[in-house]
Amino acid sequence: QKEVEQNSGPLSVPEGAIASLNCTYSDRVSQSFFWYRQYSGKSPELIMSIYSNGDKEDGRFTAQLNKASQYVSLLIRDSQPSDSATYLCAVNPTGTASKLTFGTGTRLQVML
Amino acid sequence: NAGVTQTPKFHILKIGQSMTLQCTQDMNHNYMYWYRQDPGMGLKLIYYSVGAGITDKGEVPNGYNVSRSTTEDFPLRLELAAPSQTSVYFCASSYPAHYEQYFGPGTRLTVT
Repeated sequence: QKEVEQNSGPLSVPEGAIASLNCTYSDRVSQSFFWYRQYSGKSPELIMSIYSNGDKEDGRFTAQLNKASQYVSLLIRDSQPSDSATYLCAVNPTGTASKLTFGTGTRLQVML
Repeated sequence: NAGVTQTPKFHILKIGQSMTLQCTQDMNHNYMYWYRQDPGMGLKLIYYSVGAGITDKGEVPNGYNVSRSTTEDFPLRLELAAPSQTSVYFCASSYPAHYEQYFGPGTRLTVT
């Protein structure tokens, strides 16, 4: 079983819709979770971090964490063509200092 | 602040040659990391450092070496380059216990 799993996509949504990106992880006691955005040919950019169960909102982005289900998601409201990118989920497994384990990413396409 | 900088941006290396990828950060972060990213394979940790003079192996360290003589710099050395080391290399840094990692722009390396 992969430590961090994401659907590779592509996930296609129309402009203005809500994009929902999902991630599951295997280490039940992980404490820190992150979403990175990566445009083609560019480096990953941190867009959200979440540490406790529930929702965390930042502008058009909402991160949702459910530790019991080992599930973290990212919602993008009012999706724009500029949101088209690959979104990487990252988890800090227990006992690994500040190392992160990354999923392989979900490619999002926002259609005009 | 420039953040995390990497040089070179691109490089072509012949099989058996050696080279050093440079990484510098100006955020006074203690922790620094080297990743490689292959298409569809996600980010794999090569080496990391929790401070000057302290380094440790990540998931895929074979064929690489690192040193950390200052807080700012974390060079990655490739010895006896092989085609399997063709990849995009990212350097990242973070504060201790924050876990949020910030990435440099990457080095695209081809070994032929």
